[in-house]
Amino acid sequence: GEDVEQSLFLSVREGDSSVINCTYTDSSSTYLYWYKQEPGAGLQLLTYIFSNMDMKQDQRLTVLLNKKDKHLSLRIADTQTGDSAIYFCAESIQNTDKLIFGTGTRLQVFP
Amino acid sequence: GAVVSQHPSRVICKSGTSVKIECRSLDFQATTMFWYRQFPKKSLMLMATSNEGSKATYEQGVEKDKFLINHASLTLSTLTVTSAHPEDSSFYICSAFGGNTEAFFGQGTRLTVV
Repeated sequence: GEDVEQSLFLSVREGDSSVINCTYTDSSSTYLYWYKQEPGAGLQLLTYIFSNMDMKQDQRLTVLLNKKDKHLSLRIADTQTGDSAIYFCAESIQNTDKLIFGTGTRLQVFP
Repeated sequence: GAVVSQHPSRVICKSGTSVKIECRSLDFQATTMFWYRQFPKKSLMLMATSNEGSKATYEQGVEKDKFLINHASLTLSTLTVTSAHPEDSSFYICSAFGGNTEAFFGQGTRLTVV
């Protein structure tokens, strides 16, 4: 079955880069996504990458995809305190609109 | 961008009562909506796929008689937690696709059963 895993916590100093990692099992995924969840709020789509791409950059965000290893990462450059949140990676299941989410990584940014 | 509105954002109910959560797509038609549940310190779990005009498709392990899903129109899906118990306390989130690659999520509903 589909399974998506992430480390639970990440703590970084303000101004440093953050790298959040994700591994997935379904090799037929079409898209892979990164969502941000702030306390008490719903999910905000940060970025996504098509499965035939290796990298996507969007301002401070860089997504790297290693399809062979089924590994996805999100790099946040110049991390700010406002970036503190839970970050979920998700994979779409081929031929459906279903998303399978990772366990979420809580990012804490300290001054 | 497309907006999905979920209501209520927070509800407290007594054990044994039922609670209805609404999910509306405000500016697009969603033939399919999804309901997720978020467990503490765990991931979002897909509960069911809600199809307009037909029965919902439930994921393995989700009790269909307990979590009633109705998708009466192209803009509204409802999740009713029947005979709620404290273990049903959770954060429930709906999502809908707006016809492209992006899923739009509701704000979520924090359900507390006392």
